[in-house]
Amino acid sequence: DQQVKQNSPSLSVQEGRISILNCDYTNSMFDYFLWYKKYPAEGPTFLISISSIKDKNEDGRFTVFLNKSAKHLSLHIVPSQPGDSAVYFCAATRMFQGAQKLVFGQGTRLTINP
Amino acid sequence: NAGVTQTPKFRVLKTGQSMTLLCAQDMNHEYMYWYRQDPGMGLRLIHYSVGEGTTAKGEVPDGYNVSRLKKQNFLLGLESAAPSQTSVYFCASSYSGGLAGDRDTQYFGPGTRLTVL
Repeated sequence: DQQVKQNSPSLSVQEGRISILNCDYTNSMFDYFLWYKKYPAEGPTFLISISSIKDKNEDGRFTVFLNKSAKHLSLHIVPSQPGDSAVYFCAATRMFQGAQKLVFGQGTRLTINP
Repeated sequence: NAGVTQTPKFRVLKTGQSMTLLCAQDMNHEYMYWYRQDPGMGLRLIHYSVGEGTTAKGEVPDGYNVSRLKKQNFLLGLESAAPSQTSVYFCASSYSGGLAGDRDTQYFGPGTRLTVL
């Protein structure tokens, strides 16, 4: 049962344009959402997060939107740059037995074309 | 400050062999985690630890054991490797489990690529 889904395995965007990565979840108990970025041969690195009590969080070129009623979140990158080419993982979390449990989506490979 | 390191980076095993993956962090983090990443599956939690001397099962614990004898180290063991354990393994650590009120970022190591033949 895939509780966090990223239905687009890949996305190609022209440099300077907006990149929009999408993520859907099924478990209404999730109360915090994160995006991680991963380059080849490296571990994931934290990018941006949002609490379930908010609907938007912005950090520079990156904005995450949360639609709780639709159980959907998205990551907007604007303007897109070549260095943004990477795999992006959406993750959802809730506290369980004293620890933060992260549930990851399958990832979306973003390619920024010059 | 190296962050989270993993040893080895690559390993090829034959079915039935055993091995231990080592994770080390120098950030004085309490919480440590082991994940596996498979194509089309994202990262899945194998085991985790909320402090020195403690371990707990995650989402996919079968076939693995862990130990946290020192705060900075978290070991993942495969007693009898199977082809289904071919994967990329990531270790992560965090300062707390989110109990401080802030959702604590998990910092990941570079991964270990394991192939079981």
